[in-house]
Amino acid sequence: GENVEQHPSTLSVQEGDSAVIKCTYSDSASNYFPWYKQELGKRPQLIIDIRSNVGEKKDQRIAVTLNKTAKHFSLHITETQPEDSAVYFCAASKSQGNQGGKLIFGQGTELSVKP
Amino acid sequence: DGGITQSPKYLFRKEGQNVTLSCEQNLNHDAMYWYRQDPGQGLRLIYYSQIVNDFQKGDIAEGYSVSREKKESFPLTVTSAQKNPTAFYLCASSAFLGARTGELFFGEGSRLTVL
Repeated sequence: GENVEQHPSTLSVQEGDSAVIKCTYSDSASNYFPWYKQELGKRPQLIIDIRSNVGEKKDQRIAVTLNKTAKHFSLHITETQPEDSAVYFCAASKSQGNQGGKLIFGQGTELSVKP
Repeated sequence: DGGITQSPKYLFRKEGQNVTLSCEQNLNHDAMYWYRQDPGQGLRLIYYSQIVNDFQKGDIAEGYSVSREKKESFPLTVTSAQKNPTAFYLCASSAFLGARTGELFFGEGSRLTVL
């Protein structure tokens, strides 16, 4: 079945620096790649997503890139702020025919932004 | 106030007992999911349902059971056959978008501890 690997498991950066989290997926038919942010004690929430017909997507300080050939995608956070500290999860799914696909998540990255 | 409600938030169980976690949504979403969250392992899919009276096993379904008798409800039963049930359980839902996978909306989670 589909497998998603996420690295690193922990990441510590200084405020204002950039942070990059990388994921690889196993099923070449995957076509939807969201990123979720889970702050301490809270529920995961979608922050950005990308579909397989797009190579890059940006929303203010966050961006996601997708390399279908290599089967990997990355989250980039620029000008990090303390409120970016959280656990970030990547995920992948494939839609088949008339049905949406189930999401398979990576292991998570705990990002710590130091003031 | 629309959303997903999980109950109870905390639950303690003795070994050998079955417990049922409740998940209710008023978002009119077709699809519902149960994930298990363990430190360092991300979110692992237990069961999912894309329509009433139908559900599929996820990656770690052994020792769990579900039902989907109503669109808004997707309870999860953790049976005594689950060998390591102590975990944080997250319920989620998404709109059925045909061929497009939709955003997951998560509940606040239920923490189960087996004594």
